[in-house]
Amino acid sequence: QSVLTQPPSASGTPGHRVTISCSGSRSNIETNYVYWYRQFPGTTPKLLIYRDDQRPSGVPDRFSGSKSGTAASLAISGLRTEDEADYYCAVWDDSVTGVVFGGGTQLTVL
Amino acid sequence: QVQLAQSGPEVKRPGASVKLSCRTSGYLFNTFYIHWLRQAPGQGPEWMGMIIPTGGHASYAQKFQGRVTMTMDTATNTVYMEVRDLRPKDAGVYYCAREALTTPPLYGMDFWGPGTTVTVSS
Repeated sequence: QSVLTQPPSASGTPGHRVTISCSGSRSNIETNYVYWYRQFPGTTPKLLIYRDDQRPSGVPDRFSGSKSGTAASLAISGLRTEDEADYYCAVWDDSVTGVVFGGGTQLTVL
Repeated sequence: QVQLAQSGPEVKRPGASVKLSCRTSGYLFNTFYIHWLRQAPGQGPEWMGMIIPTGGHASYAQKFQGRVTMTMDTATNTVYMEVRDLRPKDAGVYYCAREALTTPPLYGMDFWGPGTTVTVSS
């Protein structure tokens, strides 16, 4: 069972917006920065968002991150079929002194 | 270009040890942490620990302390991770990933190796 809770699945239609949530606690999300990764089946994870809401170079502005209290979210606007992937949140957790990941959300674009 | 080249697949018996490597190139070795993570089939990534390239100090996830050792060779810019006393549930893909060396870490794991598949079976 993951320290960070994500819905196991999410879906949306092309062109629309979807939000993926990540629920944690005071020792992780509330206190430290949240990161989001995307992983296509059989490939390595890729960094989408760092420091709660920052996009690495090359990540389109369709992807945005936000945080409030012990919860964070990743929003994807203008959904495309190629956005179908698994999405993971990650954060440093002070109580375990390490990085923890959410269980992942499988996004389907209908 | 940045490369994190990982060693090849491993098949081990329960109770054995495995030493994985991650050879880095294309950037200044001492300017990025190297993290080790693993991913069991159908599961999300699990962080195992990280090593600081300036000095070689490693921090381990509590779950793996005492069973995992991370080391590095600055002559070849290679990081190693040894996992001892392997169990069947240690099977999965093991990744190394880099993160910019800031205190505290701030930039996330921006480049990942291709992964090494470890099979643990009797």
